[in-house]
Amino acid sequence: DQQVKQNSPSLSVQEGRISILNCDYTNSMFDYFLWYKKYPAEGPTFLISISSIKDKNEDGRFTVFLNKSAKHLSLHIVPSQPGDSAVYFCAASSRTGTYKYIFGTGTRLKVLA
Amino acid sequence: DAGITQSPRHKVTETGTPVTLRCHQTENHRYMYWYRQDPGHGLRLIHYSYGVKDTDKGEVSDGYSVSRSKTEDFLLTLESATSSQTSVYFCAISEKGYTEAFFGQGTRLTVV
Repeated sequence: DQQVKQNSPSLSVQEGRISILNCDYTNSMFDYFLWYKKYPAEGPTFLISISSIKDKNEDGRFTVFLNKSAKHLSLHIVPSQPGDSAVYFCAASSRTGTYKYIFGTGTRLKVLA
Repeated sequence: DAGITQSPRHKVTETGTPVTLRCHQTENHRYMYWYRQDPGHGLRLIHYSYGVKDTDKGEVSDGYSVSRSKTEDFLLTLESATSSQTSVYFCAISEKGYTEAFFGQGTRLTVV
């Protein structure tokens, strides 16, 4: 029973265009969501997060959108750069729960120069 | 970068042998986690700790045990390694348990 799903295993985007990565969750107890970026042979690095009291959070080229009614979040990268090529994981947690992070299966983004 | 160190970084071991992986942090964070990463499965939680001597199971805890006798160290033990435990293992730490967690560089374990 996968509580956090990333249904697109891979995505290719031209440099300079927008990359949109999607994530769905099933557990209504989740109220904090995070995106991580992972390069080969390295640990995941935190990118951006959003609390359930918001529907949007921006940090430079990265914006995360949260649609609570649809239990869906997305990460927008604008403009995409070749250095953004990596695997992106979404994760969900709860401020009043068991204090653990559940991750999706990841989306491999390739930004074409 | 968060002060988190995993050791060893690479290990090859034989089926049936016990293996212990170590995670060491210098951030004094309360929460610590062990994940494994496998193709098609993403990052799956093995065990986590919410304080010294306080641990709980994650999604894939069978065949693994953990111990946390000090704030800074979280040990993951494979009691009797199997080939299905060949994976990359990541340790993570978090101050609050729901905001950003920081990951170590990973340990690549091969069970032959």
